[in-house]
Amino acid sequence: GESVGLHLPTLSVQEGDNSIINCAYSNSASDYFIWYKQESGKGPQFIIDIRSNMDKRQGQRVTVLLNKTVKHLSLQIAATQPGDSAVYFCAEPNPPGAQKLVFGQGTRLTINP
Amino acid sequence: NAGVTQTPKFQVLKTGQSMTLQCAQDMNHEYMSWYRQDPGMGLRLIHYSVGAGITDQGEVPNGYNVSRSTTEDFPLRLLSAAPSQTSVYFCASSTGWEQYFGPGTRLTVT
Repeated sequence: GESVGLHLPTLSVQEGDNSIINCAYSNSASDYFIWYKQESGKGPQFIIDIRSNMDKRQGQRVTVLLNKTVKHLSLQIAATQPGDSAVYFCAEPNPPGAQKLVFGQGTRLTINP
Repeated sequence: NAGVTQTPKFQVLKTGQSMTLQCAQDMNHEYMSWYRQDPGMGLRLIHYSVGAGITDQGEVPNGYNVSRSTTEDFPLRLLSAAPSQTSVYFCASSTGWEQYFGPGTRLTVT
């Protein structure tokens, strides 16, 4: 079965607000996580990644937080824009260190004007 | 660079027909993979390849065959299509863990 999973299938936020998308994992040996964004009708696109020796990593308007104690990671999008509307997936190599990825089911982010 | 390309974009098959989904990449990536995506679900790995001449099964390989004769191409074959194979298929390539995905093929089996 899947080793990563998402807490909510949908998330609706107001334009300009911050969005937080959550993901849980089960394997304490997991050491690398990736977030992908999939816009309607397109393939997934890499957003940001984080290794287990980090608690936080920042990109442009996005931050990923990793809590290894509770096996949880989150993707935070600052000042959400209409272009952020998409399905967001967390993924991890399975087994750890392999190139094969296992994906969570995804969270659909909808932006309200 | 064109990145990862997939053809066709859409396809309708009748049960029992065969077809090949094409995937090509021009980034000289060794690793390539095929996923299927069903409504409301994430991507599930069908087959993958770590280099020319090497392929292996993923999570849902039944009903699909692959081959990797060149670094650039990684076709996915459906030998006898079934309605359960109705899905969107994505091909991806990578050198590390950042996978680059193609635009997908939407397949309907009636």
